[in-house]
Amino acid sequence: RKEVEQDPGPFNVPEGATVAFNCTYSNSASQSFFWYRQDCRKEPKLLMSVYSSGNEDGRFTAQLNRASQYISLLIRDSKLSDSATYLCVVNNAGGTSYGKLTFGQGTILTVHP
Amino acid sequence: DTEVTQTPKHLVMGMTNKKSLKCEQHMGHRAMYWYKQKAKKPPELMFVYSYEKLSINESVPSRFSPECPNSSLLNLHLHALQPEDSALYLCASSPQPGTRGANVLTFGAGSRLTVL
Repeated sequence: RKEVEQDPGPFNVPEGATVAFNCTYSNSASQSFFWYRQDCRKEPKLLMSVYSSGNEDGRFTAQLNRASQYISLLIRDSKLSDSATYLCVVNNAGGTSYGKLTFGQGTILTVHP
Repeated sequence: DTEVTQTPKHLVMGMTNKKSLKCEQHMGHRAMYWYKQKAKKPPELMFVYSYEKLSINESVPSRFSPECPNSSLLNLHLHALQPEDSALYLCASSPQPGTRGANVLTFGAGSRLTVL
């Protein structure tokens, strides 16, 4: 089992749609969880951290289920500018060293008019 | 504009060349990272420096040699690379361990390396 695994995608949705991405991680000792977005030929940028209680930032909602080792990202009212690759990132995915952040393979989202 | 600056943006080198990639941040972060990213793949961790000391080496071949001269600078020295080493090399930094947001990475724009 991969340390961090995401929906394979790609997702192609119309503007205004709601879309959800899922991510599972293998190490129950993992402590920090994030969603990053990466535009084509650009660097990854933090979208949001994921907290145990769930958190929301505008149209974006992240959830964490520690029992199932599962993270989700919900995007409501999709915009054309949301088109990007969404990367699930987990700290201590496979060990205890500080800074060992592991990326999922990414899910491509394309929002069309 | 990114707060982590990488140079050069593009680099083409032969297999016998020696070159270096440079990374600089002035956010007071005490952890710095090198990641390698191939097309359509996620970033793969190569090295982590914490308080200027190498803390993680993900079994990277010795033809890649990292160096952290001070808390703001991180270099990646390249020697005798192979064509399959062609990739985007991303530098990142994060706040010191134990602080809020300690694991939040800020990436540079990357150095796109082509090995001929």
